[in-house]
Amino acid sequence: NAGVTQTPKFQVLKTGQSMTLQCAQDMNHEYMSWYRQDPGMGLRLIHYSVGAGITDQGEVPNGYNVSRSTTEDFPLRLLSAAPSQTSVYFCASSYSILRTGNTGELFFGEGSRLTVL
Amino acid sequence: KQEVTQIPAALSVPEGENLVLNCSFTDSAIYNLQWFRQDPGKGLTSLLLIQSSQREQTSGRLNASLDKSSGRSTLYIAASQPGDSATYLCAVLYRGSTLGRLYFGRGTQLTVWP
Repeated sequence: NAGVTQTPKFQVLKTGQSMTLQCAQDMNHEYMSWYRQDPGMGLRLIHYSVGAGITDQGEVPNGYNVSRSTTEDFPLRLLSAAPSQTSVYFCASSYSILRTGNTGELFFGEGSRLTVL
Repeated sequence: KQEVTQIPAALSVPEGENLVLNCSFTDSAIYNLQWFRQDPGKGLTSLLLIQSSQREQTSGRLNASLDKSSGRSTLYIAASQPGDSATYLCAVLYRGSTLGRLYFGRGTQLTVWP
C-alpha cells in the first residue's frame, strides 16, 4: 500500500495563478482532509470530506476549492494564488469512526510545499 | 472553544534521559487522542492512538496515557536517543465536533543530544 500520496512535493507560483494539489489514498478511507501548516500557527484545517460527493469547509477555506468524485482522490484547488497561501499543505485520511471497530486513526501524506511570489 | 495545548514548546535533553511531553485539552468528551511525530520537512507519522475508553497505550519505548477527567495526556519516552529528535504533536477528536475533524496542539520540539 502506498498510503496517502501527495503531488507535487514542491511548487512555486506567481500571484494570481491557479493550480491543483493532488491527494490520493489507497486504503479505502471514507474521511479525507487538507491542512496547512505555518510557523507559529500549527495545523489548520482547510476542507474535509466524509465520503465521495460530500465536502465541507474547515477553519480556513477561503481561496481554496475541493471536490471528491471518488473515494481515492481529494484534490485541493487554489483559484487565484496569493502570497498568504505560501505554506506546507498536508492531506490526511482515515476510516470513519462510525465504521464498527475503527479507531479513526489519521494518516498523513508527506506534504506539498507551496511558495507564492 | 475546543483547544489543545502542548507544554513545553521545546525541550533539549542529553541522550538517555526519560522524558514526559504534556498535552491538555478543554473538553473531556473525546473519541480519541493521537500522538504524532514530525521530522523536519516531512509529514506527520502516527505514534500512538488512545481511544476514549482506554487509559494508556504503549509502543516500544513510548507510552501515552490519557486522563479525560483532568483533560490531560502525557507521552513518556524512555531512554531517549538522538534519533528521537523531532516535533511531537497531539491531536484530539472531540465528540460533538464535525465528524473526523481533529484539533491539533502546536507541538513540542524535542532535541536529544549525544
